[in-house]
Amino acid sequence: DIYMTQSPSSLSASVGDRVTITCRASQNIGSHLNWYQQKPGRAPKLLIYTASNFYSGVPSRFSGSGSGTEFTLTITSLQPEDFATYYCQQSSTAVWAFGQGTKVEIK
Amino acid sequence: EVQLVESGGGLVQPGGSLRLSCAASGFTFSDHYMDWVRQAPGKGLEWVGRSRNKAKSYTTEYAASVKGRFTISRDDSKNSLYLQMNSLRTEDTAMYYCARITRIEGVYNYFDYWGQGTLVAVSS
Repeated sequence: DIYMTQSPSSLSASVGDRVTITCRASQNIGSHLNWYQQKPGRAPKLLIYTASNFYSGVPSRFSGSGSGTEFTLTITSLQPEDFATYYCQQSSTAVWAFGQGTKVEIK
Repeated sequence: EVQLVESGGGLVQPGGSLRLSCAASGFTFSDHYMDWVRQAPGKGLEWVGRSRNKAKSYTTEYAASVKGRFTISRDDSKNSLYLQMNSLRTEDTAMYYCARITRIEGVYNYFDYWGQGTLVAVSS
């Protein structure tokens, strides 16, 4: 099975900050990497698919990059509504896996 | 409008069984692979398993943590996905979400719609 590791597990940031979250796969997954945002008490929402493609309606301040085993999610100017937990997820194999999540909190 | 509505959660004793349902609407259910994902209280997301569509013979996949205990099925005539959970353990306590998969060129896949979840609590 492929394991996904996110870093950091949590971070504190201010509105307007640039935030970068890293996701590493235990094996080469090409571009089979998706990013989701989850707010407390809500279902996750898709942000980025196939490593770097914006999902419909997602603000352009979110971007994804990477391939193979290392990926990043960047929020260029953090907004109040962006405080949430972010998960990467690999879809390279039949058995999918999520990273453990990165909680973005208000500084 | 795409909607996924889970039901069937509740309190069950260890060793017991429960059947969850996911009612889909607003899209051609039979075309899509459908998954179950769970989230234990205060924890991260855990992929549970998948039902592929008729074109892929309704084949299924399971996480190692539930294989042999959980069974995923679907009824395309009712636009419904099911999760039969047997031999439940306290560590199965979680919110259970159903999620739709969209596939690009049959290669790239992602969850584009999720239900609101149904809570399963396993406790004596």
